[in-house]
Amino acid sequence: QSALTQPASVSGSPGQSITISCTGTSSDVGVYNYVSWYQQHPGKAPKLMIYDVSNRPSGVSNRFSGSKSGNTASLTISGLQAEDEADYYCSSYTSSSTYVFGTGTKVTVL
Amino acid sequence: EVQLVESGGGLVQPGGSLRLSCAASGFTFSSYWMHWVRQAPGKGLVWVSRINSDGSTTTYADSVKGRFTISRDNAKNTLYLQMNSLRAEDTAVYYCAREVLRSSGSYHFDYWGQGTLVTVSS
Repeated sequence: QSALTQPASVSGSPGQSITISCTGTSSDVGVYNYVSWYQQHPGKAPKLMIYDVSNRPSGVSNRFSGSKSGNTASLTISGLQAEDEADYYCSSYTSSSTYVFGTGTKVTVL
Repeated sequence: EVQLVESGGGLVQPGGSLRLSCAASGFTFSSYWMHWVRQAPGKGLVWVSRINSDGSTTTYADSVKGRFTISRDNAKNTLYLQMNSLRAEDTAVYYCAREVLRSSGSYHFDYWGQGTLVTVSS
């Protein structure tokens, strides 16, 4: 199972919006609405930010939103804040009944 | 409060073995499928293995199949990963992760441990 493809880095100024893409295949992202997104600060464990493409867990800011079209899912962070600077990983359930993660995107707040 | 605490990492020589543990608390451990996910230094997350709630079904990534064994002790609320024939490329932080309840109709990881570092080097 190959990793989902994400841009290596995305940056934006405080207050701006950024979007991170996550491209998979017809065996994962394209066939299931089970795409999730995780935020990881340096030296910390991943934290669930979005599940089932566009659902936010309790306690996650509504500045985070998700969507999907075909084999590509996206995470949008609006009103970018300094604390959003972190690595972000997408993940999808797969037709093999396993999970695959994205390559990861480093978000920099300028 | 849900807690997952990994232990057992350390330095091991190539070809050696190590057993990781993940102690769970704050939830009904026996109801959840559990996973191991690893992250090599400076690299991304990679799914490693999963076990169903009663321990009867396991699945592995091709990269560890035949070398790693996932298991659980529901009486002790503990998840394990037995790692044999370790290679340099197995060097990583290993996280245990809880999969959301299967009955929810969703598939994702809702809680993660803090990870334990495994270094394979001579």
